Amino acid sequence: AQSVTQLGSHVSVSEGALVLLRCNYSSSVPPYLFWYVQYPNQGLQLLLKYTSAATLVKGINGFEAEFKKSETSFHLTKPSAHMSDAAEYFCAVSESYGGATNKLIFGTGTLLAVQP
Amino acid sequence: DTAVSQTPKYLVTQMGNDKSIKCEQNLGHDTMYWYKQDSKKFLKIMFSYNNKELIINETVPNRFSPKSPDKAHLNLHINSLELGDSAVYFCASSHRTSGSYGYTFGSGTRLTVV
Repeated sequence: AQSVTQLGSHVSVSEGALVLLRCNYSSSVPPYLFWYVQYPNQGLQLLLKYTSAATLVKGINGFEAEFKKSETSFHLTKPSAHMSDAAEYFCAVSESYGGATNKLIFGTGTLLAVQP
Repeated sequence: DTAVSQTPKYLVTQMGNDKSIKCEQNLGHDTMYWYKQDSKKFLKIMFSYNNKELIINETVPNRFSPKSPDKAHLNLHINSLELGDSAVYFCASSHRTSGSYGYTFGSGTRLTVV
């Protein structure tokens, strides 16, 4: 079974500082990987995804992530944090289900706080 | 137009009651899902339907019964509600055939059982 592990349930950065949210995956096949963001009392919004094309993936709101097979990692970064980036971030992997469909398996989430 | 819409957004009810949550998507996707997010924000899949056919049924109590009248709608009915059912329930949709698309999520239904 595939899984993702998010290191750090809480990350706090200053406004303007680098954001680094960590995600490691476990998969026996090349994975499809995703980052989602959840703002308070809202649903999940897709930030970016890796689908075996370019290893450096750019997403919305200035976020990007790099797929590193040797490290089984898919860390999310943003060069300069903004107050509006404060939210919960989820890493997810897509797992085939009986060959008929797929299901997203989520990590436990990382709450990003941005200090002024 | 909202892509994936759920109603109601908030639901407060007493133990033992029966309640339903409705979900509709206008994206033309053929697969829909229900996820449960617990108080620790952990997300777990419950069910998935493809073109009205149940294709994923995780270890969910049989008090939970999904129904899909057509591929644009997926409802969740819960019988004999228990305190532990309190959570946020998310509906989502996607294209079935590939895991590369990701899901589009609704804004969630916060269920509180008292």
